[in-house]
Amino acid sequence: GAVVSQHPSRVICKSGTSVKIECRSLDFQATTMFWYRQFPKQSLMLMATSNEGSKATYEQGVEKDKFLINHASLTLSTLTVTSAHPEDSSFYICSARDSLGGKHTEAFFGQGTRLTVV
Amino acid sequence: AQSVTQLDSQVPVFEEAPVELRCNYSSSVSVYLFWYVQYPNQGLQLLLKYLSGSTLVKGINGFEAEFNKSQTSFHLRKPSVHISDTAEYFCAVSGRDTGRRALTFGSGTRLQVQP
Repeated sequence: GAVVSQHPSRVICKSGTSVKIECRSLDFQATTMFWYRQFPKQSLMLMATSNEGSKATYEQGVEKDKFLINHASLTLSTLTVTSAHPEDSSFYICSARDSLGGKHTEAFFGQGTRLTVV
Repeated sequence: AQSVTQLDSQVPVFEEAPVELRCNYSSSVSVYLFWYVQYPNQGLQLLLKYLSGSTLVKGINGFEAEFNKSQTSFHLRKPSVHISDTAEYFCAVSGRDTGRRALTFGSGTRLQVQP
């Protein structure tokens, strides 16, 4: 099946620094990718929708300037957590749908990134 | 807008026993329905999906789910669980309209299979 690769799987950074997370669709094109955040023992909350070649669409309450999203190609979206603080520590997961598969095709998920800000 | 309710946060069950994980949804439009499984510190893997047609959907690892439109439910079942089924299970929906293609997830159900 289709594979979405997310890197890094785990990162620890100092407070005030920035962290970039990559999400790649390995064998399909994805004009749209989604970024979710998951707190411990909670569900996934959609943060933003990443659109290739255009600005991302952020969910209400998500700071655009803090969570920078770039979708420069049909196979790569990046999420940069800027000036990270301990409260940004979380599990971040990306997902993508095959652009050619129709609107009802399943979403494939990356392995997730565990971010710890110290 | 859609919402998903998973009534049980945890479901303990003995190995080889049957299990049902409950999922109810609400939506102002027709939806597609999904069940995903998540193992610790990993992403989500699709178990099964309902798009149209038969309301009984069979998925991987022996799981199945039944779509009940009148009750707006999509409960997940397995007749005999294994230790390896211990994981977090998420029910999710997406609208059939083209405007919103992201998934809305339920709060998850932790399935704990005991020997």
